Amino acid sequence: GAVVSQHPSRVICKSGTSVKIECRSLDFQATTMFWYRQFPKQSLMLMATSNEGSKATYEQGVEKDKFLINHASLTLSTLTVTSAHPEDSSFYICSATISGTDTQYFGPGTRLTVL
Amino acid sequence: GIQVEQSPPDLILQEGANSTLRCNFSDSVNNLQWFHQNPWGQLINLFYIPSGTKQNGRLSATTVATERYSLLYISSSQTTDSGVYFCAVERANAGKSTFGDGTTLTVKP
Repeated sequence: GAVVSQHPSRVICKSGTSVKIECRSLDFQATTMFWYRQFPKQSLMLMATSNEGSKATYEQGVEKDKFLINHASLTLSTLTVTSAHPEDSSFYICSATISGTDTQYFGPGTRLTVL
Repeated sequence: GIQVEQSPPDLILQEGANSTLRCNFSDSVNNLQWFHQNPWGQLINLFYIPSGTKQNGRLSATTVATERYSLLYISSSQTTDSGVYFCAVERANAGKSTFGDGTTLTVKP
């Protein structure tokens, strides 16, 4: 149980395009989902906390207009990287918590490469 | 914010050896998790352990909340144990976790 999927697993795009990443909880309802960013050989950096039906809470230094987050249902959150540039290339990982618990379950990640 | 320090940063073992990974944190927490990130990037839950001791096969973990540290023990290590081990902590009412920098474990055959 507690499976989280992400799609796509890997994406390569041209500079200036927008990329949407989906995060789904497959066998549970997730009131809260988190989006992280991880650079090579570094730790996970929290970008934003996403609660179903409300606006996401962004961490300091994360541009809201660049990283659009939508948590439309209890099983789906999306992250859209708008007008992507090479410096946005990174590994993006989502996690979800089962409603009423604090335990995070992670998706497999999405590797974004912007040319 | 809360500081999370993991040690050692890197660890190289021969297959069959035991190891202890440490996570120190700077404030009281109500949630602590240990994760293993495999070479493909997937984070796998190992333990949810805000306090006390738990065991799962060759792995066990102990958190001493009053002294603000947690230990992850790996016994009889295998090459498949290689990867990065993270601890993540959450303060009460914070609504989010803070990750340590991880310990990179390499187990050689």
